[in-house]
This record gives sequence, C-alpha cells and structure tokens, in this order.
Amino acid sequence: DIVMTQSPDSLAVSLGERATINCRSSQSILSSSDNKNYLVWYQQKPGQPPKLLISWASTRESGVPERFTGSGSGTDFTLTISSLQPEDVAVYYCQQCHSSPLTFGGGTKVEIK
Amino acid sequence: EVQLVESGGGLVQPGGSLRLSCAASGITFKNYWMTWVRQAPGKGLEWVATIKQDGDNKYYVDSVKGRFTVSRDNAKNSQYLQMNSLRVEDTAVYFCAGGWGWFWDSWGQGTPVTVSS
Repeated sequence: DIVMTQSPDSLAVSLGERATINCRSSQSILSSSDNKNYLVWYQQKPGQPPKLLISWASTRESGVPERFTGSGSGTDFTLTISSLQPEDVAVYYCQQCHSSPLTFGGGTKVEIK
Repeated sequence: EVQLVESGGGLVQPGGSLRLSCAASGITFKNYWMTWVRQAPGKGLEWVATIKQDGDNKYYVDSVKGRFTVSRDNAKNSQYLQMNSLRVEDTAVYFCAGGWGWFWDSWGQGTPVTVSS
C-alpha cells in the first residue's frame, strides 16, 4: 500500500500570509505512461464533505481561487495558499489515485493566527 | 447542480447489517465511477469501495473485503453499500462520492453509521 504522510498536522497563519502544506508518498506516484502525478488535494470545512481543489498534483479545479497552488512530483508534493483568507480555515487532505488501495494523508488543519 | 444524497445510516449492533443508498441527480450517472469514503469521528478520510460505470468492476479496502458489497443501478441513478458483519471500528460518517476515475469531484453530505452494543 502507498502511505501518504502530511506535514504539519496543523498550522496557524496570519490573514494574508502564506500557508504551506506538505505531502509525501511512500513510493512514486508519477506515471511513466502519461507523465502525470496521481495526486489530488481536498479541502474539508467543519461539518461539510470534502471538496476537490487540485487534481494531477497541480491542476486547479474550476472555481477554485488562484491563491491555491499545487506543486511537486514523484513522491513530494506541496499545497500552497498564497494569501490566507478567513474562508480557507479547514482541514486539507492529499490523496494518491495511482493504485488501489487509494489512500489519504492524515490531514492538515489550517487556522488563523 | 450535482446532488448526491445518502441514506440508510443508523445505529446497529456489532455483527449486524446495514444497507446504505446514494441517489444522484444533476450528473450523467452511468458515466461516473462511484465511491464510498468514510470518516471515523474526529479522524481522517478512508476510501472504502469503488464501482466502475458498468457495475462489473468493484474495488475494496482490505478491511471491508468479504463483508461489504458495493453495487449500483444506473436506471435509478443510485449506488448502494451493503454492510454485513459490522464491527465497532466501522463506526463513521459514510460519504458517497462520484468522479471520472480514482478521485471525486462530487460528494454527498454523508450518513452516519454507529456500531455499538
């Protein structure tokens, strides 16, 4: 099984400042057949289901603000919120979609400092 | 507007059974891969099962293999999760999710399942 490890578990960032979340996979999730990284990011606000933010490691979903950026390749990935807004308070999860069983990182809780 | 609505959750004793349902609207259901993801109280997300468009290909996390069965009825725009031999550790909110592959852009609000004596 591919183990997904997120860091930090939580972080507090001032409004307008940058938040950086890391995600590491226990093996490469870069496909040699299509050169895509099989990594997605979700945002989950309290009492709500997850919302897909980014697919293929760096493709922002329709309607997702530009302040959300995904990067990385192979085994190391990053979700960056360039200027934290109040509505960004949430738990963020990475998920590998490279192979079954599909696995999630443990989540990173983002709060306002 | 895409809507996925789960039902069928509740309180059940260890060893018991439940059948969850998920009704979809606003999507071409027959084209979607459908999935169940669960979240134990205060914990993270765990993938449970996925069923491809035709209903013939099904995938499960090891911890539910042989106990849970995912199915779908494309004529009714619905998917189901039959859960047998339930354990305390199956207690979670169960989300129905849909997408074009192994990740999901549409989610329901979830239905809670509590396994307790």
